[in-house]
Amino acid sequence: QQQVKQSPQSLIVQKGGIPIINCAYENTAFDYFPWYQQFPGKGPALLIAIRPDVSEKKEGRFTISFNKSAKQFSLHIMDSQPGDSATYFCAASGGKLIFGQGTELSVKP
Amino acid sequence: DAGVIQSPRHEVTEMGQEVTLRCKPISGHDYLFWYRQTMMRGLELLIYFNNNVPIDDSGMPEDRFSAKMPNASFSTLKIQPSEPRDSAVYFCASSSDRAVLPQHFGDGTRLSIL
Repeated sequence: QQQVKQSPQSLIVQKGGIPIINCAYENTAFDYFPWYQQFPGKGPALLIAIRPDVSEKKEGRFTISFNKSAKQFSLHIMDSQPGDSATYFCAASGGKLIFGQGTELSVKP
Repeated sequence: DAGVIQSPRHEVTEMGQEVTLRCKPISGHDYLFWYRQTMMRGLELLIYFNNNVPIDDSGMPEDRFSAKMPNASFSTLKIQPSEPRDSAVYFCASSSDRAVLPQHFGDGTRLSIL
């Protein structure tokens, strides 16, 4: 019940494409859903986050979609660029943050 | 803003040795977190502090691990004695957010126990 399941494990898109990363959770006590971006050799960086009373949130080219009834949320990256190539982690918090397993994104020029 | 600073960046040591990892959080942040990252288990919370006080250490694997925060600008994670299965990247993070979420991570310490 404490798990956050993330898919796909890896993703390759062409520049300008819209990669979509999906996450699912079971624990309805989770009340905050952040996404982190991690480049090789660096720590994760908080990218964008959403609360369950909102169905969508945009920050620049990054959008979170949230489906409370399905207990799923996803990250969309609009007009993806090679510089977006990184590992993305979803997470969920009900007091303690639980991370998904990560998605390695590669954006080809 | 210098960010969260961790040292050393890399540590290679023999099994059985004591290992000390260090962290300087962002000034003014009330929360400090220690995470461990491995391929098998992903990112795991080991312990977190609020105002220098340990709040939740349920993620600390066993008694060989200990963490301290003697003041607001410094924390250590110690492993004694170290074992090969402790090999991982250890991250420190800090936050000023009341939601108790790590906002800023350091670049980590890559620990290899031979």
